[in-house]
Amino acid sequence: DSGVTQTPKHLITATGQRVTLRCSPRSGDLSVYWYQQSLDQGLQFLIQYYNGEERAKGNILERFSAQQFPDLHSELNLSSLELGDSALYFCASSLGLGRLVPGTGELFFGEGSRLTVL
Amino acid sequence: GIQVEQSPPDLILQEGANSTLRCNFSDSVNNLQWFHQNPWGQLINLFYIPSGTKQNGRLSATTVATERYSLLYISSSQTTDSGVYFCAVGTYKYIFGTGTRLKVLA
Repeated sequence: DSGVTQTPKHLITATGQRVTLRCSPRSGDLSVYWYQQSLDQGLQFLIQYYNGEERAKGNILERFSAQQFPDLHSELNLSSLELGDSALYFCASSLGLGRLVPGTGELFFGEGSRLTVL
Repeated sequence: GIQVEQSPPDLILQEGANSTLRCNFSDSVNNLQWFHQNPWGQLINLFYIPSGTKQNGRLSATTVATERYSLLYISSSQTTDSGVYFCAVGTYKYIFGTGTRLKVLA
């Protein structure tokens, strides 16, 4: 158990709908990352937050948005869903960013939320 | 952005064999990790190793940061080692390689 909690574990929905994925980081971790893994693909970086602020953005679609709340949990909102959005969405957390303080950038992943769009 | 290449892309081994997986990256980084994604999709931390050498049981890893590569060694492989091995590198965000898909045959 990595200590990172993601809900829901599985989600089936229809095209055009909107869903929210939730992530609770490990206790004490300030940074949260979201990744998308489509079938048999690698992990694509979506977005990163540190202590409530957006720090880095990857290939995140405009239909997707995320935020990190004051209690440090994060939510990823996916709207106007398309068939191609079906994927495993991972959240990860780290203590820090690993730049100023070595070792604080180590990532710990949740078990993922498997989204199926029909 | 940083480019991460892993080799080989696929590997099939007999149980008990040894293997070396390689990760090359294009820029200097503060963070480097190796993960194992098991057949159920879980991402398991293997090593956090931005430089140096670490060992954990049958697995060990070495990162030569100045030459921008890392190696993961698996010795006496077991069927439970099957899955995909990812290298991820970055300064403040992690970029994943495309992985090495390992299958260990009994």
